[in-house]
Amino acid sequence: DAKTTQPTSMDCAEGRAANLPCNHSTISGNEYVYWYRQIHSQGPQYIIHGLKNNETNEMASLIITEDRKSSTLILPHATLRDTAVYYCIVSGNQFYFGTGTSLTVIP
Amino acid sequence: NAGVMQNPRHLVRRRGQEARLRCSPMKGHSHVYWYRQLPEEGLKFMVYLQKENIIDESGMPKERFSAEFPKEGPSILRIQQVVRGDSAAYFCASSPIGTDESSSYNSPLHFGNGTRLTVT
Repeated sequence: DAKTTQPTSMDCAEGRAANLPCNHSTISGNEYVYWYRQIHSQGPQYIIHGLKNNETNEMASLIITEDRKSSTLILPHATLRDTAVYYCIVSGNQFYFGTGTSLTVIP
Repeated sequence: NAGVMQNPRHLVRRRGQEARLRCSPMKGHSHVYWYRQLPEEGLKFMVYLQKENIIDESGMPKERFSAEFPKEGPSILRIQQVVRGDSAAYFCASSPIGTDESSSYNSPLHFGNGTRLTVT
């Protein structure tokens, strides 16, 4: 179902940038890339989305490669509260969630 | 501006009983999506509804599960004759436009905090 591939888990030191990669090699020309996170079984929280240009908001930055086959979510200064499962989703007819990346921010 | 509201937050049912889960979308949103998350697993799409219409129920189990989104009131996910395997977190999301309305979908889904169903 999910059309994305993410590493299962990552660690990041508190205060450092967390870079979470995602491969979406079968993305169609008009499909957006969305990022969500889920903190300890709460509802998924929307972070950011983009089509082809890099995007930035108060939470994160999204870097999409020129061929659009992969992207990276950047949390510029990770805090302990950023520990969560991060999901990369390509918008098609439905939002399919894969298994995501479990990010652990280490003090 | 209230977000997506789900109730109850926790629901305990004995095997064979019925479970009713409610979801009120964000104001101005007429599209609702239900997802299920089993323990230690990712979210699985179940069903997508607009007001009074089921658009996509491809993820819904064929038996015992049904969903509705009436003209007035919240969306309801109904599970009849619950079994232990139905124990899970059920999340609802809403959006102002439907994911099927554009091949270039540009609007995030907004999720509620879920209903945790425990079947004893």
